[in-house]
Amino acid sequence: GAVVSQHPSWVICKSGTSVKIECRSLDFQATTMFWYRQFPKQSLMLMATSNEGSKATYEQGVEKDKFLINHASLTLSTLTVTSAHPEDSSFYICSAGRADDEQYFGPGTRLTVT
Amino acid sequence: AQSVAQPEDQVNVAEGNPLTVKCTYSVSGNPYLFWYVQYPNRGLQFLLKYITGDNLVKGSYGFEAEFNKSQTSFHLKKPSALVSDSALYFCAVRGLTGANNLFFGTGTRLTVIP
Repeated sequence: GAVVSQHPSWVICKSGTSVKIECRSLDFQATTMFWYRQFPKQSLMLMATSNEGSKATYEQGVEKDKFLINHASLTLSTLTVTSAHPEDSSFYICSAGRADDEQYFGPGTRLTVT
Repeated sequence: AQSVAQPEDQVNVAEGNPLTVKCTYSVSGNPYLFWYVQYPNRGLQFLLKYITGDNLVKGSYGFEAEFNKSQTSFHLKKPSALVSDSALYFCAVRGLTGANNLFFGTGTRLTVIP
């Protein structure tokens, strides 16, 4: 159990367009979902924390108008990168938190902005 | 503030030899510590965690970690390395806020040489 999926796994988009990434907890209800960003050969940086039905809490330095997070249900959170630019190219990883405090990570989405 | 440090970017070990990946932590209060492994272009896989109890924690794939309060360390170990253990390893500590977000170390790339 405790499987988290992300879609798409890989996306290429043109500069100026928006991209939506989905994170789903497949077999459990996630009260909290987290979005991380990972640059090549670097660690994961927490971008934001989202709770179902409420606004996401963004980490310092993360633009909430650029990285829109929606957590409409206990099994789905979405991250939309608006007006993407090449510097937004990165590996985006979500995780879902369960009541036992464990975090379960998705497989990640590689975004390339051309 | 919660943080972890992984002093080694790269660890090389011969197949069959014991391996150690180092992690030190800095926390306020009792630490919740984790180890994750990441294979190329994949999300993170949970290996083990320390919350309380025995200082020696056993996890997945034969890995274990020893919590040492006096040295503020949580080193990952395995008695006999396999080539398939080659991956990127992250130490993490749970945040103090209500949400169970994680703060990650910079990662250590383990290479097991056949």
